[in-house]
Amino acid sequence: GENVEQHPSTLSVQEGDSAVIKCTYSDSASNYFPWYKQELGKGPQLIIDIRSNVGEKKDQRIAVTLNKTAKHFSLHITETQPEDSAVYFCADISNFGNEKLTFGTGTRLTIIP
Amino acid sequence: NAGVMQNPRHLVRRRGQEARLRCSPMKGHSHVYWYRQLPEEGLKFMVYLQKENIIDESGMPKERFSAEFPKEGPSILRIQQVVRGDSAAYFCASSPGTWRTEAFFGQGTRLTVV
Repeated sequence: GENVEQHPSTLSVQEGDSAVIKCTYSDSASNYFPWYKQELGKGPQLIIDIRSNVGEKKDQRIAVTLNKTAKHFSLHITETQPEDSAVYFCADISNFGNEKLTFGTGTRLTIIP
Repeated sequence: NAGVMQNPRHLVRRRGQEARLRCSPMKGHSHVYWYRQLPEEGLKFMVYLQKENIIDESGMPKERFSAEFPKEGPSILRIQQVVRGDSAAYFCASSPGTWRTEAFFGQGTRLTVV
């Protein structure tokens, strides 16, 4: 992709509540949208991804939605737990050529016990 | 099956020295990607390699930085004549094919230039 914007940069949520992180992309050729979780001192870990032919995907407490017309996709975490506290990154890949991920700037999620 | 292994985990270099960062991909993975992460920032693409080939180095600074992925052994990211601005976390990821198959990141090497 060309450019990925991510909001908010920080998010505090009461334990048990839901958290939503949103990303917008500019490259209309983007067709793969993964989400990564990065804990302190560790590498990014893929937690869920979605491809352009799908509008929504869910895996237990985590879901991702994609709106190709509006060029935005969102991460939803329900029933948040303290171990969900981390930095979350969205990313995209263009369908053409280069295969490299373009990352958003990250969201620091804090779950308040 | 061990994950992506990066070493060293922490590296301290004085200005002007060379830094060599190593990445051993997961078994069976022939694609390696290097990313740089500055404090409190996202990951920026540097270079994409397959065995013995540099596929895309559009994110690599033109000077002082080089990368290789030889037929045998780990991928190496080399930074010559390091400067303070090179201080960052450098992450390597590997995949068996393209990103459309799941790619895994290593734990990173944190380079500090003093």
